[in-house]
Amino acid sequence: AQSVSQHNHHVILSEAASLELGCNYSYGGTVNLFWYVQYPGQHLQLLLKYFSGDPLVKGIKGFEAEFIKSKFSFNLRKPSVQWSDTAEYFCAVNEGTGRRALTFGSGTRLQVQP
Amino acid sequence: EAQVTQNPRYLITVTGKKLTVTCSQNMNHEYMSWYRQDPGLGLRQIYYSMNVEVTDKGDVPEGYKVSRKEKRNFPLILESPSPNQTSLYFCAARDRGTHEQYFGPGTRLTVT
Repeated sequence: AQSVSQHNHHVILSEAASLELGCNYSYGGTVNLFWYVQYPGQHLQLLLKYFSGDPLVKGIKGFEAEFIKSKFSFNLRKPSVQWSDTAEYFCAVNEGTGRRALTFGSGTRLQVQP
Repeated sequence: EAQVTQNPRYLITVTGKKLTVTCSQNMNHEYMSWYRQDPGLGLRQIYYSMNVEVTDKGDVPEGYKVSRKEKRNFPLILESPSPNQTSLYFCAARDRGTHEQYFGPGTRLTVT
């Protein structure tokens, strides 16, 4: 069974600081990878996704993520965070055909201080 | 506009009183699923449906039922709710081509 680990449970940053949130998954085959964001009181929205091709993917709001197959990782980055990035971030994976369910990590709560 | 709707958004009920949370999507997606979100545990899948009349258990199906009689609707049924089912529930519909999941706004359920 696939699993997803997000090691940072709660991250506090000041505005303009750089962000990197870790995500590791366990699955030996081809995977599809996602980062979702949940702003306070809202539902999950897709930030970015990786299926194949360039391992560096860019998403909305200046976020990007890099797929490193050898490390089973898909870390989320942003060069300069804003107060409005305060949210909970979830990494998710499903196997390559997409027929199986998404498996989510436990989430990372990001708090950006003005 | 692509949309997944859930009703009700908030519900407080008592142990043992049957309830149904509705979910509807307007995107004609075949794949739908239900998740519960609990602090520190992320989202865990309860049930999913690959198409009409095709449903299967997710990771935490105990205490829940679903049905998929029409493509657009995927209700979640709690026959006899218990306090450990107090949670935030999300319905989602997935695009088979892009694999992107569209989430509903969530239903916050409290069982006393």
